[in-house]
Amino acid sequence: DSGVTQTPKHLITATGQRVTLRCSPRSGDLSVYWYQQSLDQGLQFLIQYYNGEERAKGNILERFSAQQFPDLHSELNLSSLELGDSALYFCASAAPLAGGPSGGTDTQYFGPGTRLTVL
Amino acid sequence: SQQGEEDPQALSIQEGENATMNCSYKTSINNLQWYRQNSGRGLVHLILIRSNEREKHSGRLRVTLDTSKKSSSLLITASRAADTASYFCATDAPNTGNQFYFGTGTSLTVIP
Repeated sequence: DSGVTQTPKHLITATGQRVTLRCSPRSGDLSVYWYQQSLDQGLQFLIQYYNGEERAKGNILERFSAQQFPDLHSELNLSSLELGDSALYFCASAAPLAGGPSGGTDTQYFGPGTRLTVL
Repeated sequence: SQQGEEDPQALSIQEGENATMNCSYKTSINNLQWYRQNSGRGLVHLILIRSNEREKHSGRLRVTLDTSKKSSSLLITASRAADTASYFCATDAPNTGNQFYFGTGTSLTVIP
């Protein structure tokens, strides 16, 4: 058990709908990362938050958005869903390295993932 | 892109044999990490090696890093059926806002 929790485990919805995925990081971790893993694209970095602020952006579609709340949990919102959005969505958390928020991060601890199926 | 590439894409060995997976990346890094993923599950961190290190051990795992060749290898000795999983390397890099780039993975099957 990594200490990172994600809900729900599975989500089945229809095209055009909107869903929210939730992630709670490990206690004490300030960074949250979201990843999408699909069969044809591998593991793709979507976005990172650090202590409530967006820190880095990867291959995240405009239909997707995320935020990190004051209690450090994060939500990934996926809207206008398409069949191709079906994938495993992982969040990961990490502690900041010594040196403060501008420093790099070390090991990322992954949650169990949310499997999204768009029909 | 910084994305690493693992080689081979798939590997099948008998229990007790050693398994070696390689990872190549494109730009300079702070560190490189290896993760394991059982089918449909989350990734589990195995080992981290920093850019100023050349070799690291953890139990039956041995990781090497050659920054001049921008490559790393993961050796699993005395493999077990429970080692069956996909293995990914991940790199971060200076000034990328802490992004991690994952490789495409090696699918390892250990046959009992």
